Amino acid sequence: EVQLVESGGGLIQPGGSLRLSCAASGFTVSSNYMSWVRQAPGKGLEWVSVIYSGGSTYYADSVKGRFTISRDNSKNTLYLQMNSLRAEDTAVYYCAREPNALITQDVWGQGTTVTVSS
Amino acid sequence: QSALTQPASVSGSPGQSITISCTGTSSDVGGYNYVSWYQQHPGKAPKLMIYEVSNRPSGVPDRFSGSKSGNTASLTISGLQAEDEADYYCSSYTSSSRVFGTGTKVTVL
Repeated sequence: EVQLVESGGGLIQPGGSLRLSCAASGFTVSSNYMSWVRQAPGKGLEWVSVIYSGGSTYYADSVKGRFTISRDNSKNTLYLQMNSLRAEDTAVYYCAREPNALITQDVWGQGTTVTVSS
Repeated sequence: QSALTQPASVSGSPGQSITISCTGTSSDVGGYNYVSWYQQHPGKAPKLMIYEVSNRPSGVPDRFSGSKSGNTASLTISGLQAEDEADYYCSSYTSSSRVFGTGTKVTVL
């Protein structure tokens, strides 16, 4: 079964760092594009970042320079390193698979909650 | 990276058809055929309903259809059912990034 499971969320103070993980099963992370999407409480979806199968990475302007997307092929896991966290980064963070050349998110994880507050 | 514009809410009676619009620019919706639509029920992860403007993934009922004209994409739900009540989001590719719509709450009367 194709599945994504996020972990690593929690309560963190402003300015702090957190690393989210997204463990994949049923497919190979490195053979697909993989995205992070977030949703602030009561708000809509916001695209955060993508890593292509070739390794190229792209970010939303709102997180550029603070967040880093990466993957560990041996663990078939996607990561999102989040630094200099702000209150406005508070959200449920979803990882999602983008099948190559389709530019769409066809498999989503259940989400992990990040709360930035003092 | 401004969000695509969707109506905040759309409603319809069971069996009716409704259409949700998604308006962007020539840099996103109008420039690429990479428009997707997602359904999200409260507390759940989004579910892909339409990709590449008008393609349905396996398992999505054919009551859901997508189209695009210029900078505006549309999702039509025909034969509206109670379980279709949810939030719907469009998304588009735009120069190596992606952008989502503002979201539309669909209410089945």
